[in-house]
Amino acid sequence: GAGVSQSPRYKVAKRGQDVALRCDPISGHVSLFWYQQALGQGPEFLTYFQNEAQLDKSGLPSDRFFAERPEGSVSTLKIQRTQQEDSAVYLCASSLDIGSNQPQHFGDGTRLSIL
Amino acid sequence: GQNIDQPTEMTATEGAIVQINCTYQTSGFNGLFWYQQHAGEAPTFLSYNVLDGLEEKGRFSSFLSRSKGYSYLLLKELQMKDSASYLCAGPSGAGSYQLTFGKGTKLSVIP
Repeated sequence: GAGVSQSPRYKVAKRGQDVALRCDPISGHVSLFWYQQALGQGPEFLTYFQNEAQLDKSGLPSDRFFAERPEGSVSTLKIQRTQQEDSAVYLCASSLDIGSNQPQHFGDGTRLSIL
Repeated sequence: GQNIDQPTEMTATEGAIVQINCTYQTSGFNGLFWYQQHAGEAPTFLSYNVLDGLEEKGRFSSFLSRSKGYSYLLLKELQMKDSASYLCAGPSGAGSYQLTFGKGTKLSVIP
């Protein structure tokens, strides 16, 4: 497809389980971002990749969160030992080039519910 | 870091004009974005302002005043489909790739 694709669309897990969320950015986009969005809030930055390099992970809330983009295309966000406060929508965005003036194109997100 | 403030909710009538305001910290500023987000969907890019003034794109216009740390999104000839959240976003610091988003303004368009 032409847009950013995320899977799964919905994920339900029990507290303590590990989850993996996938993002397929727009082909050729250099920059990739992960955000967390709570209900009624704006997206909050988690981490940023430029090609395969993770240049900023300052927004990851704890060491249970891990992201990778090994070939500079598809990215995976992994959450280990999930907790209820991890319940949120996880959004992935990509932009064509480097630079803070580049519009980011978002996927529909993965809605994660931790029971 | 950046601190972005916008109203939580607004209601407007179909066919009318509505202005959604956004204020931000001016230090480290490098452009301001507006996104539209329908419930359960991805945010979609609306506009980007880096210079002072008004930029018009069809029914939507965006204004920026860098000295005042102020922006607004103007929606004309409102349609029911414009009911959505409107997110204002700016860089988290000088040269930062991080965007800090406001909490979003939920716009309800009524007949």
